[in-house]
Amino acid sequence: DSGVTQTPKHLITATGQRVTLRCSPRSGDLSVYWYQQSLDQGLQFLIQYYNGEERAKGNILERFSAQQFPDLHSELNLSSLELGDSALYFCASSLRPAGRGITGELFFGEGSRLTVL
Amino acid sequence: TQLLEQSPQFLSIQEGENLTVYCNSSSVFSSLQWYRQEPGEGPVLLVTVVTGGEVKKLKRLTFQFGDARKDSSLHITAAQPGDTGLYLCAGAAGTYKYIFGTGTRLKVLA
Repeated sequence: DSGVTQTPKHLITATGQRVTLRCSPRSGDLSVYWYQQSLDQGLQFLIQYYNGEERAKGNILERFSAQQFPDLHSELNLSSLELGDSALYFCASSLRPAGRGITGELFFGEGSRLTVL
Repeated sequence: TQLLEQSPQFLSIQEGENLTVYCNSSSVFSSLQWYRQEPGEGPVLLVTVVTGGEVKKLKRLTFQFGDARKDSSLHITAAQPGDTGLYLCAGAAGTYKYIFGTGTRLKVLA
């Protein structure tokens, strides 16, 4: 158990709909990262928050948005869903930002599997 | 754009064989990590390397960070079925971003 909680674990929805994925980081971790993993592929970085503020953006679509709340949990909002958005969405947390020594390592949740029909 | 290319993409070997997975980039990373991901789960950290030329051993796994901090390798000795999984390298790209490699899917046959 990594200590990172993601809900829901599975989600099936239709094209054009909007969904919200939720992530609770490990206790004490200030950084939250969101990644997308398509079938059998690596992880595509979407966005990162540190202590409530957006700090880095990857190839995140304009239809996607995220935020980190004062209690440090984060939500990823996906709207106007398309078939190609079907993927595993992972949240990860870390105590320190990337590259800042060994405590910059990431702890991942079990992911939210989104299926768009 | 910083990219991490892993090779091979797929690897299927017999139990007891040795293997090496490579992670290459044209960019310099301040640190590099290796993760293993099993089906239905999130990636789990195996090791972090931070110094160019650094070599770390974790039982049958040996990790090396290139001198120029642009590449890394993972060597597994006497692979076992329990080593089966998706191996991902990840580089710290600046202060707030981890870039993941393309992944190597390993299957070890008993």
